[in-house]
Order: sequence, then C-alpha cells, then structure tokens
Amino acid sequence: NAGVTQTPKFQVLKTGQSMTLQCAQDMNHNSMYWYRQDPGMGLRLIYYSASEGTTDKGEVPNGYNVSRLNKREFSLRLESAAPSQTSVYFCASILFTGATNEKLFFGSGTQLSVL
Amino acid sequence: GIQVEQSPPDLILQEGANSTLRCNFSDSVNNLQWFHQNPWGQLINLFYIPSGTKQNGRLSATTVATERYSLLYISSSQTTDSGVYFCAVSGSARQLTFGSGTQLTVLP
Repeated sequence: NAGVTQTPKFQVLKTGQSMTLQCAQDMNHNSMYWYRQDPGMGLRLIYYSASEGTTDKGEVPNGYNVSRLNKREFSLRLESAAPSQTSVYFCASILFTGATNEKLFFGSGTQLSVL
Repeated sequence: GIQVEQSPPDLILQEGANSTLRCNFSDSVNNLQWFHQNPWGQLINLFYIPSGTKQNGRLSATTVATERYSLLYISSSQTTDSGVYFCAVSGSARQLTFGSGTQLTVLP
C-alpha cells in the first residue's frame, strides 16, 4: 500500500497562474483533508471532505477550491495564485467509524512557491 | 471550533533527559492524536489517545478528557527525537484541528 500520495512535490508559480494539487489514498478512508503549513506555525485546515460527495471549508479556505473526485481522490485548486499562498501543503486521510484507533495519515507534502 | 494550545513552544534538552509536552483543548473531543514532524517535514502519527494512557517504547501519552488536556512524555531523549510535536483534536465534526506545536531540540 502506498498510503497517501501527493503530487507534485515541488512547484513554482507566477502570481496569477493556476494549478491543481492532487491527492490519492488507497486505505479506503472516508475523510480527507488539505492543510497548509507556514514557517513556525502549525497546520491550518483549508478544506476537508468528511465523506465522498461532501466538502466543507476549514479555517483558511479563501483562494482555494476542492474536488472530492471519488472516495480515493481529493484535489486542491488554486485558481489565481498569490504570494500569500506560498506554503507547504499536506493532504491527509482518516477512516472515521466511531471505533477506536482512528488515525490520521499524511502525504509527504507539496512545497509551493508563488513569485 | 475547538481551540488547541500546546506548551512549551520550544524545548531544548540534553540527550538522555526526560520531557513532558502539554496539549490543552477547549471542548469535548472524540479524537485526539499526537504527531511528530521530523526535520525532513514528514508527519508521523505517534498516538491516537482521546482518553486514557498509552505507551510505545520511550514515548507515552495520557489524556484526561474531563479536564481537557493531554500530555506526551518522552523519556531518555535521543537526537532523533528532535523535531516538532503536534497535538490534533476533533469534536463532533470530522474536522481535526492542530495546535501550534512544540519544537524539540535534543543536543548530543
């Protein structure tokens, strides 16, 4: 099993360009998340999908859109990139069942720079 | 949403020392996890612990849900323990909120 796979690992954009970050998990998880991490700060939730077919805003959704394409895939789109969106982006997934040991698993991250 | 506070923000130890990291949260939770982010940025899940006590080698964690805090203990610290430790919680919504982390540096 690959776990949570994010692409690309690195990306440089010019202000105003658009791009999509891809995320896929092969653990049959129902919930998926996009976080951003800025230097010296924790992880802030951008958007999440509690289950296939649903998406909800997190703490910092402005400037982003998401698509839960199917149970495995959850993409994050920047329509018009801004320097303030320079950050490391993490995708994560979890299986919420109400049972014990519901652990969150992370992808390896995407380093995005917007010039 | 639920607020999460971690302390201390920074901690420097000599190898072999013990440490305690704290996570306070503002409301009832049904999911609480501790993570370690290594110097390469990788996030590793250490514990799922919404209540009670768990141990894994030199690491252990305790959550007192009624008092809304969790503690992560690191004993006999090693240089490989360096990195950032995060606590994350969720309440009724499936929204996991992270604290700002504790930056741990273990000196040889």
